[in-house]
Amino acid sequence: DVKVTQSSRYLVKRTGEKVFLECVQDMDHENMFWYRQDPGLGLRLIYFSYDVKMKEKGDIPEGYSVSREKKERFSLILESASTNQTSMYLCASSRSGTGGEKLFFGSGTQLSVL
Amino acid sequence: GESVGLHLPTLSVQEGDNSIINCAYSNSASDYFIWYKQESGKGPQFIIDIRSNMDKRQGQRVTVLLNKTVKHLSLQIAATQPGDSAVYFCAENNSGGYQKVTFGTGTKLQVIP
Repeated sequence: DVKVTQSSRYLVKRTGEKVFLECVQDMDHENMFWYRQDPGLGLRLIYFSYDVKMKEKGDIPEGYSVSREKKERFSLILESASTNQTSMYLCASSRSGTGGEKLFFGSGTQLSVL
Repeated sequence: GESVGLHLPTLSVQEGDNSIINCAYSNSASDYFIWYKQESGKGPQFIIDIRSNMDKRQGQRVTVLLNKTVKHLSLQIAATQPGDSAVYFCAENNSGGYQKVTFGTGTKLQVIP
């Protein structure tokens, strides 16, 4: 069965801490994505990557950075966590293809910044 | 800006009845549409998709209808079961350039036993 694995299910951090969220996929997908999910706002794209060492800003990149050193791994970094970054973070991956491809999601990381 | 929206935030359906979840989209350049199901505590899971060259696609107990004239998408679930209780998201994809998916805010489906 295909799998997207996020390293932590729940995470509690303090304001100002540097936070790393890790995501690994075993499907050899080219594309990987980080979304945050907030009540009433749906899923919003933070960053995505379509190849190793490549990254593109999504709709809400401020306060975040990403790293993709290997094809299977995509990390989201909060340089200095703030309370407004308390959210559910979802990683996803997809194949590259013309015409769009479906996303495979991890189970999410619920991050609380105190 | 472009957006994907849902008509009803919560839908309650009797077990065994059919469910219809609606979605409006506004980006006329979107050419690929997906429905996802998100159960409590899990990430969204793909249900069914449809490309803009089709107006209907059927899966197992689910059907997606696409009306490009009015930019409307619907998900029909036949013989709704308690396991169908979840939040359902429609998503649109403009496949030109890179794969950027825009999600709606979701509809919660509650199945009454």
